[in-house]
Amino acid sequence: RKEVEQDPGPFNVPEGATVAFNCTYSNSASQSFFWYRQDCRKEPKLLMSVYSSGNEDGRFTAQLNRASQYISLLIRDSKLSDSATYLCVVIRDTGRRALTFGSGTRLQVQP
Amino acid sequence: NAGVMQNPRHLVRRRGQEARLRCSPMKGHSHVYWYRQLPEEGLKFMVYLQKENIIDESGMPKERFSAEFPKEGPSILRIQQVVRGDSAAYFCASATRFQETQYFGPGTRLLVL
Repeated sequence: RKEVEQDPGPFNVPEGATVAFNCTYSNSASQSFFWYRQDCRKEPKLLMSVYSSGNEDGRFTAQLNRASQYISLLIRDSKLSDSATYLCVVIRDTGRRALTFGSGTRLQVQP
Repeated sequence: NAGVMQNPRHLVRRRGQEARLRCSPMKGHSHVYWYRQLPEEGLKFMVYLQKENIIDESGMPKERFSAEFPKEGPSILRIQQVVRGDSAAYFCASATRFQETQYFGPGTRLLVL
């Protein structure tokens, strides 16, 4: 079983749609959680950190459920520029600080 | 403030040659991480370094791969006697001592012929 699992997609949605991505992680001792975005053949870029209390940044909302070991990302009012691969990322051990990546969920926003 | 810099951006090697990948962290960042992304796969952690120290190399292949981060100059990921399976994008990320957030460089795409 992969340590961080995501639905690979692709998710094809029209502009203006709301889309939700989910992610599960297997190690209950995981400490920190993030969503990164990766455009084709580019480096990953931090989208947002994820907290149990939930956090929002403009059209993006992230949520963490530690009991279910589940992380979500909601994108409202999708834009063409949101088309990318969204990576669920976990830090298992804050001493090591290595990022563990999911395989990513591909989003294609269509006009 | 320049971001994380990596060079070369593209590197072509023949089987058996050596590949040297360089990473200059962001200004003020003392922690460097290397990740590898094989074609159509997710990123995998390789090694975590601070200046002159390897902190965690649990993701490094046991043979042919080495990394360093000297007191002066960039971090170097070295692959000896490359094989076709080493073809991948190699990303470097850096962070400060106190923050978990890692910032990625543009990557080096290695192609082994």
